[in-house]
Amino acid sequence: AQKVTQAQTEISVVEKEDVTLDCVYETRDTTYYLFWYKQPPSGELVFLIRRNSFDEQNEISGRYSWNFQKSTSSFNFTITASQVVDSAVYFCALSPGGGFGNEKLTFGTGTRLTIIP
Amino acid sequence: NAGVTQTPKFQVLKTGQSMTLQCAQDMNHEYMSWYRQDPGMGLRLIHYSVGAGITDQGEVPNGYNVSRSTTEDFPLRLLSAAPSQTSVYFCASSYGQRNSPLHFGNGTRLTVT
Repeated sequence: AQKVTQAQTEISVVEKEDVTLDCVYETRDTTYYLFWYKQPPSGELVFLIRRNSFDEQNEISGRYSWNFQKSTSSFNFTITASQVVDSAVYFCALSPGGGFGNEKLTFGTGTRLTIIP
Repeated sequence: NAGVTQTPKFQVLKTGQSMTLQCAQDMNHEYMSWYRQDPGMGLRLIHYSVGAGITDQGEVPNGYNVSRSTTEDFPLRLLSAAPSQTSVYFCASSYGQRNSPLHFGNGTRLTVT
């Protein structure tokens, strides 16, 4: 069985501070995929990034960066110089490799991030 | 390009009523699914489909039916609404591969009184 843990239920930071959202996963698969999704206050769910288990390079996209470490089974998400528009619930998710269909995609319970102006 | 379209956006039902949540996608995705989102519980899979004519149960299927007669449409039916089905419902679609990200609809907020 696979599991995704987002231990931080809620985080509040003052605007322009850096913030890291933690994601720890459990899986027995050697090939798997990790995802981050964002749910802003308007309610829609937006895909942010995908990472496969063979690629441990960190990813940076503007103020966003992702740190994937297989040794600690973590896929953490850092926002640099946070802005009010970053306020949202962020979900980490895990999918096994191979096969067809996303029915085995497992979501964490989400971290609610509030950026205080 | 509309993506995934869900209707209605809001719905209030009385216990025992039935209704259908509509979902359509225009991306020719093979995979479609329905999730419910409840506070503190993340997203839980209700039903899914890997193609037209093929559906299967997810984690929390009781009280819901689905069908997939076309690639584009994947309606979710509540047979006899119960207060425990008060939730936000999301339809999602993706290509068939497991590394394909999900594209979500905007959600339906359902209240059962």
